Amino acid sequence: DAKTTQPTSMDCAEGRAANLPCNHSTISGNEYVYWYRQIHSQGPQYIIHGLKNNETNEMASLIITEDRKSSTLILPHATLRDTAVYYCIVGNAGGTSYGKLTFGQGTILTVHP
Amino acid sequence: GAVVSQHPSWVICKSGTSVKIECRSLDFQATTMFWYRQFPKQSLMLMATSNEGSKATYEQGVEKDKFLINHASLTLSTLTVTSAHPEDSSFYICSASGGRLGGLNTEAFFGQGTRLTVV
Repeated sequence: DAKTTQPTSMDCAEGRAANLPCNHSTISGNEYVYWYRQIHSQGPQYIIHGLKNNETNEMASLIITEDRKSSTLILPHATLRDTAVYYCIVGNAGGTSYGKLTFGQGTILTVHP
Repeated sequence: GAVVSQHPSWVICKSGTSVKIECRSLDFQATTMFWYRQFPKQSLMLMATSNEGSKATYEQGVEKDKFLINHASLTLSTLTVTSAHPEDSSFYICSASGGRLGGLNTEAFFGQGTRLTVV
């Protein structure tokens, strides 16, 4: 699986948009970009994923560049409860790798009042 | 999203005893389940991949005789830490992926984790 690079930490003011970048320059054509977050002492929570097109759901938006070498997770109106470690993961959605995720260190997002 | 339930949430056991952790997919059939371990201030590390009805595949460095994995049905996988020692104290997390409501999801869903403390 391709490796991802994320900033170690980011801060965001409550109510503002949080934009979390991720580089995945070695991504291959059939690999998806997944975003998960982990609040302290809990299991990771699925946020969103995409292949080529931008995606949006009730939690966030995912913007993938045209060359697919980087992406940005956008939390449109961050709240204090969004403080967590955010993981950007590149993985193959098919075959024996289905659902298998390799976690990096992630980005610690701190939302402050 | 789909619901994955893990039990117990926390457990304290004596050194030398065995502990069983259950992972259940509540609203979908999990053809594959994964077990991760997370030490304090570190990221999740994959321990093994479990497919229903077959033997688990362990990651390099993970002792298969110490961490017994059983995936007896499409909704249940268990991890048994045998002869636990203090260095096995960690946060164990399962995830599940598979078909749901006839569709096929590419994302995996995680349980809430089990905090194991061996004393």
